Amino acid sequence: EDKVVQSPLSLVVHEGDTVTLNCSYEVTNFRSLLWYKQEKKAPTFLFMLTSSGIEKKSGRLSSILDKKELSSILNITATQTGDSAIYLCAVGSSCTASKLTFGTGTRLQVTL
Amino acid sequence: EAQVTQNPRYLITVTGKKLTVTCSQNMNHEYMSWYRQDPGLGLRQIYYSMNVEVTDKGDVPEGYKVSRKEKRNFPLILESPSPNQTSLYFCASSLSGRISYEQYFGPGTRLTVT
Repeated sequence: EDKVVQSPLSLVVHEGDTVTLNCSYEVTNFRSLLWYKQEKKAPTFLFMLTSSGIEKKSGRLSSILDKKELSSILNITATQTGDSAIYLCAVGSSCTASKLTFGTGTRLQVTL
Repeated sequence: EAQVTQNPRYLITVTGKKLTVTCSQNMNHEYMSWYRQDPGLGLRQIYYSMNVEVTDKGDVPEGYKVSRKEKRNFPLILESPSPNQTSLYFCASSLSGRISYEQYFGPGTRLTVT
C-alpha cells in the first residue's frame, strides 16, 4: 500500500522566517511528487517533481526531490501571513500516474 | 476560465436519502477523480475515471457510485447516505491519467448526513 508521510503536522512561525516542510513516501513505481497549498478551499497546485525534474522554484517557494531518500522538502523563505495554509504532498505511482496518494498535510501558521 | 465546478457546495441530508453531487470540467481533461477529506486522514480517493465509460475504484469506494457518460461530467452518487459519509468532497481533473500532470480541484462540497 502506498504511503505518504508529512512532517511536522503543524508549525507556527513569525513573518519573515524560513520554513522547511518534509514529505517522505513509500510507493511502488514512483512517477511524480506534487505539492499543493490548501487555504479555506480547494487545493491549488504548487510544484510537480519527477525523475527528470528534481528541483523547482517559484518566487519564495522551492522544492527538491531526493529519490534516494524517498523524500521531498518544500522551502518557503521570508514567510508572509498569506503563506498560512495547509501544505499537501501527494505522490503519483504505478501505471495510473494521475492516481495520487496524499499525505495528511502540514498546517503552517505565519504570525506577525 | 478553465475550471472544475461542483454542485451543490453545501448539503445537509438525512440517512438513506439518495443524493448526487455533480462535477464538471471545461478543460477537455481525460482523467477525473473524486476525493473525500477528513480531519487527520487527509485526502482519500473514492473513484477515478481514465476516460469516458472507464471508471475504477480508489481507496475508499464503499457506499459510492460514479458514472462517466460524457468527458466533461463525473457525478458522485450516494445511493443510501450514512453519517460516516459526512465529509468534504473534492472533484479533480487532469489532462491524462497515464502521464503525470497536475490535478485541478473543484471548490469542494461539504456534506452532512444526519
